[in-house]
Parts: sequence; structure tokens; C-alpha cells
Amino acid sequence: GAVVSQHPSRVICKSGTSVKIECRSLDFQATTMFWYRQFPKQSLMLMATSNEGSKATYEQGVEKDKFLINHASLTLSTLTVTSAHPEDSSFYICSARALLDGYTFGSGTRLTVV
Amino acid sequence: RKEVEQDPGPFNVPEGATVAFNCTYSNSASQSFFWYRQDCRKEPKLLMSVYSSGNEDGRFTAQLNRASQYISLLIRDSKLSDSATYLCAVRLDILTGGGNKLTFGTGTQLKVEL
Repeated sequence: GAVVSQHPSRVICKSGTSVKIECRSLDFQATTMFWYRQFPKQSLMLMATSNEGSKATYEQGVEKDKFLINHASLTLSTLTVTSAHPEDSSFYICSARALLDGYTFGSGTRLTVV
Repeated sequence: RKEVEQDPGPFNVPEGATVAFNCTYSNSASQSFFWYRQDCRKEPKLLMSVYSSGNEDGRFTAQLNRASQYISLLIRDSKLSDSATYLCAVRLDILTGGGNKLTFGTGTQLKVEL
């Protein structure tokens, strides 16, 4: 089946630095990618939807200047957490959807900001 | 009111028990429904889609009640390996502006014990 590779799986960074998370669709072209965030014991909250070649659509309350999303190709989307703070520590997961197929999730990135 | 609501549990059941989860959704324009399983610190994995007529996959049965706006998941003969968090997810009709995004419930934690 469709596979989405997400890297890194775990990252610890200092407060104020930026972190880039990558998601690649390995065997299909992902026209749409979704970025979720999950805090402990909470559900996945959609942060933004990105379509290849166009600007991402952010959910209400998500700062687009802080969470930069780039979907430059049909197989790669990146999320950059800029000027990270401890409250940004969370589990970030991407999900890709090809035109007719279902949703495939990356394995997630556990971000810890110290 | 949350778009998708679930009882967070935990549900502690003995091995072999039958357990049922419910999930309610608020938007009547919702068109597609899914159950996902999420293990601790892992990404969610699709357990099954939910069809209007109800569907079964081995020990798992999913049902949809559009009139009352809820979906259910029944697990029969539960195994230790069924211990996980079960998330329901809902997708709106594209034509109503929902796009392709999935909205998740908070998840119900299941613990199957000896």
C-alpha cells in the first residue's frame, strides 16, 4: 500500500531555534498533504492542508508564520516550526492523500523544545 | 460543541469480552466515516471505513446512524493485542467546503486484560 516516510522521528531542540519536518510519499503522488499535531492524551488536531504548488490552508488559531509549510512537489511536504518554544513540544504527524486513494499517515515526529 | 466526540475511556475489559465504542459528529454534511487505531506514541492506522449499511471485518463491526449522527465500533472476542486507542474520523462533503480533511475524535482508550 501507499507509504509516507516522515523524518525525523524524534527531535530535541533549544528554544528559539527552528525545526524542519519532512514527509515524503514513497510510491504515489500526494496531491494533498495534511499536518496534524497531537498533545498527550488528546486527539489529532489538523494544523494545515497543503496542496502541491499552492499555499497551504491553515486552520483557525494556527499561526502560518510560525508553522511554515512547503509542498513543492507531489512527493514532498515540509513543516518548519520556527522559533520553537516549549509549548510547541508535541507529536506532529503528516498525512497524504492521492487523488482516489485513502489517507496514509507518516510515523510522526516527536518534538521536544527545551 | 466539538465536531467529533468520543468517550475517552479507558475501557478496561477482560480478554474475550465484547466492547462497543460510540462516536458522535455534529455536522450533518459529513459524508465519510472511519475508525482508526492508534498505539502509544505511534501514528494512527486505518482499522476500517464505515459504510451506510454497516460493515464487518472479522471481529470488528462498524455501523453508521445518520439520523442520530453517530458511528459505532464493536469488537468481539477482544484480545490483549486490541489494547490501543480507537479514534473515529469524519470527512465532510467536498462540495460543502469541507475539502478532504479528516476531523478526529479524541479517541477511546481500550485496555484488554487477562
